Amino acid sequence: GAVVSQHPSRVICKSGTSVKIECRSLDFQATTMFWYRQFPKKSLMLMATSNEGSKATYEQGVEKDKFLINHASLTLSTLTVTSAHPEDSSFYICSAFSKNTEAFFGQGTRLTVV
Amino acid sequence: QKEVEQNSGPLSVPEGAIASLNCTYSDRVSQSFFWYRQYSGKSPELIMSIYSNGDKEDGRFTAQLNKASQYVSLLIRDSQPSDSATYLCAVDNNNDMRFGAGTRLTVKP
Repeated sequence: GAVVSQHPSRVICKSGTSVKIECRSLDFQATTMFWYRQFPKKSLMLMATSNEGSKATYEQGVEKDKFLINHASLTLSTLTVTSAHPEDSSFYICSAFSKNTEAFFGQGTRLTVV
Repeated sequence: QKEVEQNSGPLSVPEGAIASLNCTYSDRVSQSFFWYRQYSGKSPELIMSIYSNGDKEDGRFTAQLNKASQYVSLLIRDSQPSDSATYLCAVDNNNDMRFGAGTRLTVKP
């Protein structure tokens, strides 16, 4: 199947700093990418949908100025957690779509803010 | 009403039994349906996809779709302890994918 690479897999950062997470589709062009966060023992929660070349669409309750999403090309989307706080600690997962295909997930990023 | 609903479980079955996982969805025009398996701390992985009414079999897994009833299920035959995981139902309507809360399955040796 198609491959989506997410980097880094784990990151620890200090409170107040920013962290960038990359999501790359390695062998297909992803017209749409989704960003999710997941708390322990909970389901995926959609944060935002990004389409290549346009602004991301954020779900209700997700601060767009805190979670910056850039989908600059058909193979790369980035999520930047700005001014991170301990409550932002979570598992972040991206998934990528090409039209009429399944969603392929990245490996996930475990963010810990100390 | 939640868009995609699953029984959160936990569902416990003995090794070798059939595990039955159920999912209902609210959007009648949904086109694509997926089952993902997620081990603790890992990213979800696709188990099955189904697009038309009826059954679709792949090894020990069978997905069943009934669009009239807005119902999709996953059967796991000859369950193994390695099948113990959370199973997520996902429903897609034109690249707008929504997930259920997941059902935690435990297969006891």
